[in-house]
Amino acid sequence: AAGVIQSPRHLIKEKRETATLKCYPIPRHDTVYWYQQGPGQDPQFLISFYEKMQSDKGSIPDRFSAQQFSDYHSELNMSSLELGDSALYFCASSLEQGRSSYEQYFGPGTRLTVT
Amino acid sequence: KQEVTQIPAALSVPEGENLVLNCSFTDSAIYNLQWFRQDPGKGLTSLLLIQSSQREQTSGRLNASLDKSSGRSTLYIAASQPGDSATYLCAVGGATNKLIFGTGTLLAVQP
Repeated sequence: AAGVIQSPRHLIKEKRETATLKCYPIPRHDTVYWYQQGPGQDPQFLISFYEKMQSDKGSIPDRFSAQQFSDYHSELNMSSLELGDSALYFCASSLEQGRSSYEQYFGPGTRLTVT
Repeated sequence: KQEVTQIPAALSVPEGENLVLNCSFTDSAIYNLQWFRQDPGKGLTSLLLIQSSQREQTSGRLNASLDKSSGRSTLYIAASQPGDSATYLCAVGGATNKLIFGTGTLLAVQP
C-alpha cells in the first residue's frame, strides 16, 4: 500500500539559509499534519491543513510557513534557519478530518541539520 | 492545556514476558488515542487507534485499552520478542485531530 512520502530524507543547511520540505500524502487523504521532533524529544505539532485550508496551528515559528496544494501535497518552508531548528520533521496524513476520528499515517521524516 | 505522560520511561524485560505500558492524559475531552512505535532515528509506525467511544482495540499480540473518564490508556504486549524493542509513544487527538504525544517508553526485550 502507498505510504506518506517525504522529501528530501536528509537536508543539511547553514544558519540563516532557507529550506523547503515536501510531503505527499497517501492517495485520497485530504488532511496533512506537520510535526517536529527534536533530539530526545517527543514530536510536537506544528500545523495542519484540510482541503488546502489551514485547520490548526501549533508551536510553529513565524519564520516557518506551510501550504497544501490542489493535489493535496504540502510544503513546509523554513527561513532564517537557526541551530535549534535541527530536528526530524514528520508529515502525516489522514482522511476526512471533519469526522475527527481517523488514523494518522506518518511519513519517514526529513532529518534537517543546521550548521 | 493537554499533557500526556507515559510510565515507565524505560523498561527492560526478558523475552517471552507479558508487559504493560501506561499512558495518562490530563484533559479527558479527546476524540481518539493512538499508540505508535518508533525505532531509533526512524519514523512513527501506527500500532493501534482507539476512538473515544471505544474501550479497547486489539492487533495480534497488542491490546490497547482506553478509560477516557480517568484519563488513562494501557498498551499490553503479550509474549514479548527482541524485535519489539523500540520506543512506544501514545498520542491523544482532539477536535482538529492534531496529536499531542506522550514522553514515550523505551522498551528493551532481552533475548
